[in-house]
Amino acid sequence: AQSVTQPDIHITVSEGASLELRCNYSYGATPYLFWYVQSPGQGLQLLLKYFSGDTLVQGIKGFEAEFKRSQSSFNLRKPSVHWSDAAEYFCAVVTGSGYNKLIFGAGTRLAVHP
Amino acid sequence: SQTIHQWPATLVQPVGSPLSLECTVEGTSNPNLYWYRQAAGRGLQLLFYSVGIGQISSEVPQNLSASRPQDRQFILSSKKLLLSDSGFYLCAWSGSGGGSTYEQYFGPGTRLTVT
Repeated sequence: AQSVTQPDIHITVSEGASLELRCNYSYGATPYLFWYVQSPGQGLQLLLKYFSGDTLVQGIKGFEAEFKRSQSSFNLRKPSVHWSDAAEYFCAVVTGSGYNKLIFGAGTRLAVHP
Repeated sequence: SQTIHQWPATLVQPVGSPLSLECTVEGTSNPNLYWYRQAAGRGLQLLFYSVGIGQISSEVPQNLSASRPQDRQFILSSKKLLLSDSGFYLCAWSGSGGGSTYEQYFGPGTRLTVT
């Protein structure tokens, strides 16, 4: 069965530091992968998506993610974190059921120190 | 452009009372629609999804039900709320058909507290 693992529950970084959030997936075929961000009390916003082609994808708010098939990973990165990036981040994979069902990871909560 | 609305934004209900949460989508037709629940400090749990009017699939047996009376309207209901129904309820939509790119777009959510 498909699954998504986000190994880090909480991460704290200093403002201006680089960021990498880890995501590992389990899926037999080529996955469709997503990163979402959720600010407290808000809905989820799509940051970026990977379907095929270039394994380094760019998203909104300066985020990027790299798909590595050999490692079954889709890690999210940002070169310089801003205080407004403090939020919860979710990695997700499409199940391929035909109904666009997403399997979400448990999320990583990012705190940013000034 | 497409937008998704949910209401109410917050709700406090006593145990045993009924529930109705509404979600509507604008700017698209024949979307796939989804209801998720997010308990405090936990991830997202898919509750229901719908690929068309009157077509509802349940992911988790529970105290809740869903209906889709119109193409862009999705309703989450309960006849009698339980304490365990408390949480943050999110509605989402995605495109359907061969041109779909599979991503889901989420509404602002409804915070439900059952007392």
